[in-house]
Amino acid sequence: DSGVTQTPKHLITATGQRVTLRCSPRSGDLSVYWYQQSLDQGLQFLIQYYNGEERAKGNILERFSAQQFPDLHSELNLSSLELGDSALYFCASSVARGGTGEETQYFGPGTRLLVL
Amino acid sequence: LAKTTQPISMDSYEGQEVNITCSHNNIATNDYITWYQQFPSQGPRFIIQGYKTKVTNEVASLFIPADRKSSTLSLPRVSLSDTAVYYCLVGDPNNMGRRALTFGSGTRLQVQP
Repeated sequence: DSGVTQTPKHLITATGQRVTLRCSPRSGDLSVYWYQQSLDQGLQFLIQYYNGEERAKGNILERFSAQQFPDLHSELNLSSLELGDSALYFCASSVARGGTGEETQYFGPGTRLLVL
Repeated sequence: LAKTTQPISMDSYEGQEVNITCSHNNIATNDYITWYQQFPSQGPRFIIQGYKTKVTNEVASLFIPADRKSSTLSLPRVSLSDTAVYYCLVGDPNNMGRRALTFGSGTRLQVQP
């Protein structure tokens, strides 16, 4: 158990809908990262927050947005969902501010999203 | 985004040493190199991290040449439970000044009995 929790574990929805994925980092970790992993593909970095502020951005679609709240949990919002958005979405946390990759990231169990 | 390149797959037998190399030509001066292991439908798990030369822990060794444009993860005497996908992770300095993280394509290691 990494100490990172993600809810829900599974999510089934329809195209055009909007969903929210939630992540609670390990106690004491200030950074939260979101990744997308499509079937049989590698991990694609989406976005990172550090202590409530956006720190780094990857190839995140404009239909996707995220935020980190004062209690440090984070939410990833996916809107106007398309079939291609079906994937595993992982959250990771680390204690450091990030940027150099020096910090160790601890990954949650993921949320499996299926868009029908 | 800067690319990292790894072999798509590797096969080995129990008890052998496995070396997986990752190429990262655009690594920044202050970036570290980190390797993760991922089993199906699970989140990646940290294996080892280094900046230069050699790092060793209880599960693996990491070799980084002086130019740091590549790194090699070495798994001594693999077992069936080492069958997984292995990713190398480096920072990407080319994302319009905002730092982003780049996972390699991943190497699928299959260990046979």
